[in-house]
Order: sequence, then structure tokens, then C-alpha cells
Amino acid sequence: NAGVTQTPKFRILKIGQSMTLQCTQDMNHNYMYWYRQDPGMGLKLIYYSVGAGITDKGEVPNGYNVSRSTTEDFPLRLELAAPSQTSVYFCASSPSRAPGNTIYFGEGSWLTVV
Amino acid sequence: DQQVKQNSPSLSVQEGRISILNCDYTNSMFDYFLWYKKYPAEGPTFLISISSIKDKNEDGRFTVFLNKSAKHLSLHIVPSQPGDSAVYFCAASGLSSGANSKLTFGKGITLSVRP
Repeated sequence: NAGVTQTPKFRILKIGQSMTLQCTQDMNHNYMYWYRQDPGMGLKLIYYSVGAGITDKGEVPNGYNVSRSTTEDFPLRLELAAPSQTSVYFCASSPSRAPGNTIYFGEGSWLTVV
Repeated sequence: DQQVKQNSPSLSVQEGRISILNCDYTNSMFDYFLWYKKYPAEGPTFLISISSIKDKNEDGRFTVFLNKSAKHLSLHIVPSQPGDSAVYFCAASGLSSGANSKLTFGKGITLSVRP
């Protein structure tokens, strides 16, 4: 029972580099999300998707891009990495938007931009 | 502007005693509240939730109380166990924004349960 799988677990980037955080879920969930958690802070929504081909911005989308070509995959692209993007990134999924459906999180990806 | 506030960053309790974790919110449009638990190097996991039509929801050792007039909720863990030591996040959403797409999280409380 894999659930939500994120890769890589850890990554160090240089300023200006680009990278993609991969996320896949095997629960056939329609909704997928990317959150970031800065030290001592709560999780902030970066982007979310309500189904294949549909994405929308969350609270902190600047500097990121996403795509959703399949139900299973929701990669997060960082263009021109900046130190402010040093954070822990969590991918998540849920079956629908109705109250009572909980969000299932991946284990997180630790990203440091130097 | 923090809409979900967990003002105490940490809490330490003795094993077997009650743990009370507090959460306040400012947005009156929130009508669904959740608690997530997070161990180090893992993603958050859902613990318990409550709808604004209720004032209490219980699941085993965990009970969440909601006081809508005070915009306050609390998570009670009785009895506390060492395995409960983790970071607890309070989260809130509003039906009009699509519950899961607009979850707002607090900063989290680190609970330590002493053996």
C-alpha cells in the first residue's frame, strides 16, 4: 500500500537551477496538492488539482509550476531556484472535495537552495 | 494574517495524564476543522475532525471540542502515551471554498509525553 510517493527525499540546489519534484498516488484520488512547510510554520498550499488536466494556484504559487496529465501524477517544477524556496515540500491527495474526506500526505521532500 | 492560530509552540505532559492542545481561528467562514499529527521525517497524518454543526467529536483516546462563539477548538488526548509525542497541526476549511482545496493550517504544537 504505497499511498502518496514523493521523490527525491532530499535535494540541494544552487541558486538559479531548476528541478522537478515528482509525486504519484495509487489511490485513484481526483484531488492532488502541493504544500510547503517552512521551519516553525504551518503548511501552505502551493498548487492543487481537481483532476487530470486541471490545476489551480494555492496560497504561495510564485516560482512554481505544475501539470496534471494523469490521475496518478502531479509533478512540481521549480524554475530558477531561490533561497526562499528552501523548505520541506509535501504532496498530498484526497478522493474529493467534500468535508469528511481527509487528505493523505506523502513523506516529504527536503529542499535546500544555496 | 494568521487565520488559524496555535499560540503555544510546545506542550509537555506526563504519561497517563491528559494533553490539551488549543487552536483559535479568525475566519468565521470556516466550518470544518481537522487535526493532523506529524512525526519527524514523515508526512502529516489525519487524526480527527469536526464539523461546525457539532461541538464535540470523539475517537478513542482523542476528543475534539469546538466552541464556535469563541472561535476556539481543542484536542484532548486521554490518557497520553509516549507514542503520542509528535507535532499536531490544527487545520480549517470553509464549504464555500471547497473543503480540501483550501485547508488553512496552524503552525503546529510539539507535544512531548514523558514516560
